[in-house]
Amino acid sequence: DIQMTQSPSSLSAYVGDRVTITCQASQDIRKYLNWYQQKPGKAPKVLIYDASNLETGVPSRFSGSGSGTDFTFTISRLQPEDIGTYYCQQYDNFPYTFGQGTKLEIK
Amino acid sequence: EVQVLESGGGLVQAGGSLRLSCAASGFTFTSYAINWVRQAPGKGLEWVSVISGSGGSTNYADSVKGRFTISRDNSKNTLYLQMNSLRAEDTAVYYCAKGSYSSGIFDSWGQGTLVTVSS
Repeated sequence: DIQMTQSPSSLSAYVGDRVTITCQASQDIRKYLNWYQQKPGKAPKVLIYDASNLETGVPSRFSGSGSGTDFTFTISRLQPEDIGTYYCQQYDNFPYTFGQGTKLEIK
Repeated sequence: EVQVLESGGGLVQAGGSLRLSCAASGFTFTSYAINWVRQAPGKGLEWVSVISGSGGSTNYADSVKGRFTISRDNSKNTLYLQMNSLRAEDTAVYYCAKGSYSSGIFDSWGQGTLVTVSS
């Protein structure tokens, strides 16, 4: 199975800050990497698919980059409504696997 | 509007069985693969299974292979997950998640249904 390692596991930032989360795959997954946001008590929501494509309706402050084994997710200017847990997920090979999550809080 | 709605969760004893359902609307059901993804209490997300739009192709996580069966009734726009030989570690919220242009992009999720396995 492909292991997905997210960093950091948690982070706290101020409104307006630039926030970056990284995700490393245990083997080459080409571009097949998605990012999800999960707010407390809610289902996850896809934000970025295929490493860098913004899902329809998602604010442009969210972005993604990378290919192969190393990927980055960025929030350009953190907003209060961005609190939650963020997950990366690969779908290059079965079984599809998720990172362990990054819990984002506001300072 | 795309909607997927899970049902069928509940409390079951270890070794027992349960069948989850996922009713879909707002899209051409046969055109999209659908997945089950679960989340144990306080834990991260775990992909469980996927079925193609036609129902002819399925895949499973190793943790459920041989115990869980995914299926779909395209005449009813409904997805199922038959769960047998349940274990305490199967306790989780189970989500159905519609695939996008690829089965591996989960673009619409239900609200989830809680399965609790008592030992």
